[in-house]
Amino acid sequence: QKEVEQDPGPLSVPEGAIVSLNCTYSNSAFQYFMWYRQYSRKGPELLMYTYSSGNKEDGRFTAQVDKSSKYISLFIRDSQPSDSATYLCAMNRDDKIIFGKGTRLHILP
Amino acid sequence: DSGVTQTPKHLITATGQRVTLRCSPRSGDLSVYWYQQSLDQGLQFLIQYYNGEERAKGNILERFSAQQFPDLHSELNLSSLELGDSALYFCASRVGAGELFFGEGSRLTVL
Repeated sequence: QKEVEQDPGPLSVPEGAIVSLNCTYSNSAFQYFMWYRQYSRKGPELLMYTYSSGNKEDGRFTAQVDKSSKYISLFIRDSQPSDSATYLCAMNRDDKIIFGKGTRLHILP
Repeated sequence: DSGVTQTPKHLITATGQRVTLRCSPRSGDLSVYWYQQSLDQGLQFLIQYYNGEERAKGNILERFSAQQFPDLHSELNLSSLELGDSALYFCASRVGAGELFFGEGSRLTVL
């Protein structure tokens, strides 16, 4: 079993829809949880960073962590074509940062 | 611009060859991470250095090695290259337990 599981998609939704992206993990030792966005041919960039169970909101983005279920989510409200990218979840255990495979998201105008 | 610089951006070489990828972290960042990204495997953690010392190791092949120099730049050496080593190689740096900043990557093609 991989430490971090993420559906690779692709996921296509119409502009303005709410997008839900998810990851599951198997190691309860993970301490920090992150979401990165990666545009084609670019390096990933951090969107959200959290270390506790619950919700964290930043503009149109909400990160949700459920440590009891080992499940994290990223919600994007009022999705825009510019949100089309690959979204990677990541988790920090000691000095290792492990990434999910990424979900390719397409927002259709 | 993340502040992390990687060279070269593109590299084409033949099987059996050896290449060196270079990374300059953000000013002040002591930690350097190396990742390999391929379509089927996603972003795979290879190795991490902190202030010149190896701190964590991931799925790094024995044919690969890395080091971090006193000026904090890092190099990833890939030898006896195989077709399957073709991938994007990313370097990232950070301060403490904070955000990981990625470079633009080095795209390696092995023919």
